[in-house]
Order: sequence, then C-alpha cells, then structure tokens
Amino acid sequence: NAGVMQNPRHLVRRRGQEARLRCSPMKGHSHVYWYRQLPEEGLKFMVYLQKENIIDESGMPKERFSAEFPKEGPSILRIQQVVRGDSAAYFCASSLGVATDTQYFGPGTRLTVL
Amino acid sequence: GQNIDQPTEMTATEGAIVQINCTYQTSGFNGLFWYQQHAGEAPTFLSYNVLDGLEEKGRFSSFLSRSKGYSYLLLKELQMKDSASYLCAALNQAGTALIFGKGTTLSVSS
Repeated sequence: NAGVMQNPRHLVRRRGQEARLRCSPMKGHSHVYWYRQLPEEGLKFMVYLQKENIIDESGMPKERFSAEFPKEGPSILRIQQVVRGDSAAYFCASSLGVATDTQYFGPGTRLTVL
Repeated sequence: GQNIDQPTEMTATEGAIVQINCTYQTSGFNGLFWYQQHAGEAPTFLSYNVLDGLEEKGRFSSFLSRSKGYSYLLLKELQMKDSASYLCAALNQAGTALIFGKGTTLSVSS
C-alpha cells in the first residue's frame, strides 16, 4: 500500500512565479491536510480538505495561497506570485476518516524562491 | 489560544532511556500525538493518547495527563538511529488540525 505521495520533491521558483504542489493521499484516504515547515520552526497547519470541499482553511494566508482536492486527481496547493518568505518545506498528510484518525505524512516538497 | 511546549534539544547515549516532555494549552482537547522526524524526511507517526495513562509500543511509550496538560514520550534502549526530532502535537478543538510544538532534537551518541 503506497504511502502519501508528493511531487515535486524539490521546486525552485523565482519571485513572482507560481508554485504548484501536488499530493496524492494514501489509498482509501479521503481527508487531506497541508502543513508548512519553515527553517527552525515547527509544522504549521494550513488547510484541511475532503474531496471537493475545503473544511478548514484557518491556517492559510489570505492572499496568494489556494488549495483544492478535486473529485479526481491529487490535491493541489497553489502559491501565486511567490516571495522569498514562501521558501519552506510543504508537507501533505492524509487520514482515513476525521482528524482524530492518524494523519500520515508525505515526504514533502521543498520550495526555494530565488 | 493554543500552545505546545517541549525542550529544544536533548542528548543521550546508546542503551539509555530518555523522556521527552511536552506541555500543551489548548481551548479544547481531542488527543495528543507524537511523531518522529529525521532530517529532511517526513514525520512518521509514533503514538496517540486521548485518555490519561501510559501507552506502550515496543521501545516507545507515551503518557498523558489531561488535568495537567502534560505528556511525555519515553524511549528505551536507545539506538543511534533514534537520533531525530520528536514532535508533540495536539488536535485542535474542531478536530480538524494538528497543532505542533517546535520539536525536540534528540542526539544519541555511542
């Protein structure tokens, strides 16, 4: 049973470009979470999605960031007009049911903004 | 507000026992998780406590006291491969997100 998949593993963008990060949850999991980890900081929750629905986006910056989890295909975290401060590791997690179920993490996408 | 506190760094020797403490303040409580994260890798699940007491799983055990807002992770018979960051996380009141501490970096030496 494959784990949570994320791609790309490393992404380099110049300021002002767009970054698209993809996450495929574990087989059978319909709950997806995105977290950001800045250097020397803990993981910070960004958004929680179920298929075609955003359940909690309280950790998502109000501008430039968006997330989706379509009926078919992976979940996408999209960052428009990236700035240097967006450089971080972005982790996706999935769970079988609600968040009281264990969240399993993917390997992360390391975004570097030049 | 919500806050998770744990020590920044700890050191120990192979074969020893180490206890990593975590205190939390949350507006609601839906459980306490421990994850292990090696540098540059994904966090991996270690344990989940929702009731008071000790949960044992092989060399790792986790304890919870809800009245004190306190948990600890106990690692026995330490091995070099246990050198990693250990993350304490509480589930938020809505049950929709994990609130993480900054992690405790454990260094195991021979």
